[in-house]
Amino acid sequence: EAQVTQNPRYLITVTGKKLTVTCSQNMNHEYMSWYRQDPGLGLRQIYYSMNVEVTDKGDVPEGYKVSRKEKRNFPLILESPSPNQTSLYFCASSRMARDTEAFFGQGTRLTVV
Amino acid sequence: RKEVEQDPGPFNVPEGATVAFNCTYSNSASQSFFWYRQDCRKEPKLLMSVYSSGNEDGRFTAQLNRASQYISLLIRDSKLSDSATYLCVVKPSGATNKLIFGTGTLLAVQP
Repeated sequence: EAQVTQNPRYLITVTGKKLTVTCSQNMNHEYMSWYRQDPGLGLRQIYYSMNVEVTDKGDVPEGYKVSRKEKRNFPLILESPSPNQTSLYFCASSRMARDTEAFFGQGTRLTVV
Repeated sequence: RKEVEQDPGPFNVPEGATVAFNCTYSNSASQSFFWYRQDCRKEPKLLMSVYSSGNEDGRFTAQLNRASQYISLLIRDSKLSDSATYLCVVKPSGATNKLIFGTGTLLAVQP
């Protein structure tokens, strides 16, 4: 089954404790991105990757890192999480950057206390 | 001004009703437009693309008005299963990598 898989689905952590949210897609898609969704603000792009070893900042990259060592995986790293990073996070992929349909993972609900 | 604006709702309608949502966008050079559907606590999924000539998919009709910079989604004969948040999405011109999402319009279809 074609899918984008995120883990964990739910996470409660403390301020400053490094964490990684994994994202993996099995569709051989070139383009992957991370979004956060907050009430009243919609989905905002954090980082994106056009292909392996090619990543760039989205609209809200502060406090986040990403890597793209393999085509299928695009982890999101929070080196020192803060409470304002409490949010619902989605990973998405598309066959190519210019493709119109994005496939989303099931989301990770992160709470930083 | 937000790049993509939607009425958050909720729109409460009875089964069988026709309901319409509008969405406005600020960048007149935007090139592509979509409606995504998001069920509660779930991921967004593409509902339909929006073309200049308008397009229809079963009970759903999407239209684009470039002059007034808005897109619309019409749902006929609403079903309980249509209850969800509908996200207006715009791809700006020249940006091959970005989708700009509205905050969504919540639809609740009542039995």
